[in-house]
Amino acid sequence: EIVLTQSPGTLSLSPGERATLSCRASQSVSNNYLAWYQQKPGQAPRLLIYGASSRATGIPDRFSGSGSGTDFTLTISRLEPEDFAVYYCQPYGSSYEMWTFGQGTKVEIK
Amino acid sequence: EVQLEESGGGLVQPGRSLRLSCAASGFSFDDYAMYWVRQGPGKGLEWVSGISWNSGSMVYGDSVKGRFTISRDNAKNSLYLQMNSLRAEDTALYYCVKDRLVGHTSGIFENWGQGTLVTVSS
Repeated sequence: EIVLTQSPGTLSLSPGERATLSCRASQSVSNNYLAWYQQKPGQAPRLLIYGASSRATGIPDRFSGSGSGTDFTLTISRLEPEDFAVYYCQPYGSSYEMWTFGQGTKVEIK
Repeated sequence: EVQLEESGGGLVQPGRSLRLSCAASGFSFDDYAMYWVRQGPGKGLEWVSGISWNSGSMVYGDSVKGRFTISRDNAKNSLYLQMNSLRAEDTALYYCVKDRLVGHTSGIFENWGQGTLVTVSS
């Protein structure tokens, strides 16, 4: 069973600052099949990134993903007010046992 | 525009059953795998179940295996989740989710409904 560990648990930043979120997997994620989701309070999650670095439809280019193997990063280059939310990472692919979400990182306004 | 509307949630006693439904529109429903993902109160996301575009494959998370059954009716553009032997720990908001890829059960959760709340309590 794969375990995803996201850090930090909470990130306190100001609008305009850069956010760097980490996702570490207990085993290698095949083909870098890793997705990131954003969830705002009271809303459903939204797909941001798939394939570790490809932005989903309509996602602003201030969001970028990187990494491979077991270590992945989501970067928000300049935080906008609407970016304060919880972010989850999740591996995907043909092996459904991998479809486990990380525990989430909350990005809050400092 | 993709729209996913869940229904069927509510308050149910432990050990009882409940059936969730999801009405899909705005896309070719029979081209995509579909999923149920849940979120307990104040908790993170948990993948529950998935079904391939043609119902040829159904998969389940360990916590619901043997108790929940996923199904779909492509003629009605609908997804279902039959939940039996419900437990308090099944209390959650249940989201209906569409895959990103045509014809694949990839596990990329692209489009989400707003969820239906299931509360298991006596």
